[in-house]
Amino acid sequence: DAKTTQPPSMDCAEGRAANLPCNHSTISGNEYVYWYRQIHSQGPQYIIHGLKNNETNEMASLIITEDRKSSTLILPHATLRDTAVYYCIVRVYTGRRALTFGSGTRLQVQP
Amino acid sequence: EAEVAQSPRYKITEKSQAVAFWCDPISGHATLYWYRQILGQGPELLVQFQDESVVDDSQLPKDRFSAERLKGVDSTLKIQPAELGDSAMYLCASSPGIPGGAGNYEQYFGPGTRLTVT
Repeated sequence: DAKTTQPPSMDCAEGRAANLPCNHSTISGNEYVYWYRQIHSQGPQYIIHGLKNNETNEMASLIITEDRKSSTLILPHATLRDTAVYYCIVRVYTGRRALTFGSGTRLQVQP
Repeated sequence: EAEVAQSPRYKITEKSQAVAFWCDPISGHATLYWYRQILGQGPELLVQFQDESVVDDSQLPKDRFSAERLKGVDSTLKIQPAELGDSAMYLCASSPGIPGGAGNYEQYFGPGTRLTVT
């Protein structure tokens, strides 16, 4: 799986959009970008994934650059409950391989 | 909504003692994972099962750790003897489908067992 780089921490005001960047410059053509988050004292939770097109679901939006070397997870209206560690993971689509987590970005949503 | 169950949630044990963790995956999920998460780091895979068979245990310290998934449903992870460095969160996750199968299958994580070795 390709290596990812994320800032260690970010702050965001409640009600504002949180934009979490991820660099994956060595991503290969068959690798997808996945995002998980881990709220304190809980297990990680799947958020969203994508290949090259922008994706949106009820939790977040994923913007992937045209060259696929970086991406941004967007939480459109952050709440205090979005305070968590966010992990960007690059992996192939098929199969049930385990996830390779980095250190992630610790997002603190401020009231 | 179905969830992955783990017990106990917290465990304190003395070094050199034996300890065991239990995981009940979401019903029908063929793939089960055990991860270890040291404070401040992301989870790391210890062992992966497909039904009752081990698919990957390359990162499992086999001199002290063992894992089983009898009947391909629930699973137990054991440490004997526990060492101070084993203090961590132990996470279980499950996923539908089979290795190599097409399609995206998210992994669903349980709440974890926090182990403290004194």
